Amino acid sequence: AQKVTQAQTEISVVEKEDVTLDCVYETRDTTYYLFWYKQPPSGELVFLIRRNSFDEQNEISGRYSWNFQKSTSSFNFTITASQVVDSAVYFCALRDDQAGTALIFGKGTTLSVSS
Amino acid sequence: DARVTQTPRHKVTEMGQEVTMRCQPILGHNTVFWYRQTMMQGLELLAYFRNRAPLDDSGMPKDRFSAEMPDATLATLKIQPSEPRDSAVYFCASGLVLGTDTQYFGPGTRLTVL
Repeated sequence: AQKVTQAQTEISVVEKEDVTLDCVYETRDTTYYLFWYKQPPSGELVFLIRRNSFDEQNEISGRYSWNFQKSTSSFNFTITASQVVDSAVYFCALRDDQAGTALIFGKGTTLSVSS
Repeated sequence: DARVTQTPRHKVTEMGQEVTMRCQPILGHNTVFWYRQTMMQGLELLAYFRNRAPLDDSGMPKDRFSAEMPDATLATLKIQPSEPRDSAVYFCASGLVLGTDTQYFGPGTRLTVL
């Protein structure tokens, strides 16, 4: 069965600190897709990144970076030089290789960045 | 800037009343998903459609929930009769099977059943 675990329920940091959000997944499929979504206080779910199981290259987008390691079934998310606007709940999600099927979400990590 | 839209954004109703939530997927997307978010359960799938046909509604309480896609631009989720335990945020998401197949979420409908 598929499962996503975000062990960190809440993280608090001070602005400009770097922070890493952990995500560990379980799947029996060899082809799968991993996602991160951000849910700010306003409540919407904002897509951040999609990664497929064949692409283990790490990705950087501005202050955001993602570390995908199949050997440890992890897809961690790092925010460099955090800002107050980064305060949100971050969800990691998994989808198997059947296109158009549902996402399996982790429970989310609440990140609070104080000034 | 194409977005998924949902109406209403907020709904307060009394137990036993019928509730209908609507979703307009991104034009051209052929998969539509309904998710529910609660503090206890987190984000869970209720139902999803591909090309307007229901593929999986195993996450829905069958006796009171129903989901339909009358046409390609409208998906509905109905609860009848509503119960306090249905209070949650209901998200609609749409995606394109081909291509990136990322699911894009609407702003959600926050439902409170008194």
